[in-house]
Amino acid sequence: EAGVAQSPRYKIIEKRQSVAFWCNPISGHATLYWYQQILGQGPKLLIQFQNNGVVDDSQLPKDRFSAERLKGVDSTLKIQPAKLEDSAVYLCASSPAETQYFGPGTRLLVL
Amino acid sequence: EDQVTQSPEALRLQEGESSSLNCSYTVSGLRGLFWYRQDPGKGPEFLFTLYSAGEEKEKERLKATLTKKESFLHITAPKPEDSATYLCAVQARSGNTPLVFGKGTRLSVIA
Repeated sequence: EAGVAQSPRYKIIEKRQSVAFWCNPISGHATLYWYQQILGQGPKLLIQFQNNGVVDDSQLPKDRFSAERLKGVDSTLKIQPAKLEDSAVYLCASSPAETQYFGPGTRLLVL
Repeated sequence: EDQVTQSPEALRLQEGESSSLNCSYTVSGLRGLFWYRQDPGKGPEFLFTLYSAGEEKEKERLKATLTKKESFLHITAPKPEDSATYLCAVQARSGNTPLVFGKGTRLSVIA
């Protein structure tokens, strides 16, 4: 069974630029999550989707971050404009029930 | 507020030297406690879910246990390939709540 796919794997941008990340969850998984993992920290939830509806986006900085899940499958996370403190790994996870399965992440460096 | 504290932050073991990692938690009604392994440059890999105090689960050299306030990940006769960061996370019982992660324990096993 294919795992969670994410792209790109690495991205370097200047502050105030915009960036987008893509996630393809495991087939059949209704729930999709985006996490931010800063170096030396555990992952922190940004947004949770159930099919194509948002369940929890309380930790998402909505002035600069946005996310959507197209047709309840793929998802994109966008940052516009980026700040230095957005440098982190952005992890996508999907789950059929309770257990979450993570993708490899996108490493973002904001200069 | 749900919280997870992991200790130690880092642990260095000789090959074959057994030890335990600790995860202390506070949560408003535990739905599940999760252990993940994370290798450098990769996303977290699911290991175990524990649901109630007294529960134990094993996988190869790893054994996870749960009490009402903490969980332990016991590593028996570790090998260098067990070197990784081990993350603990909790999910509260109420609603469709996200995982709350600790900062992880960075384990190094030296041959």
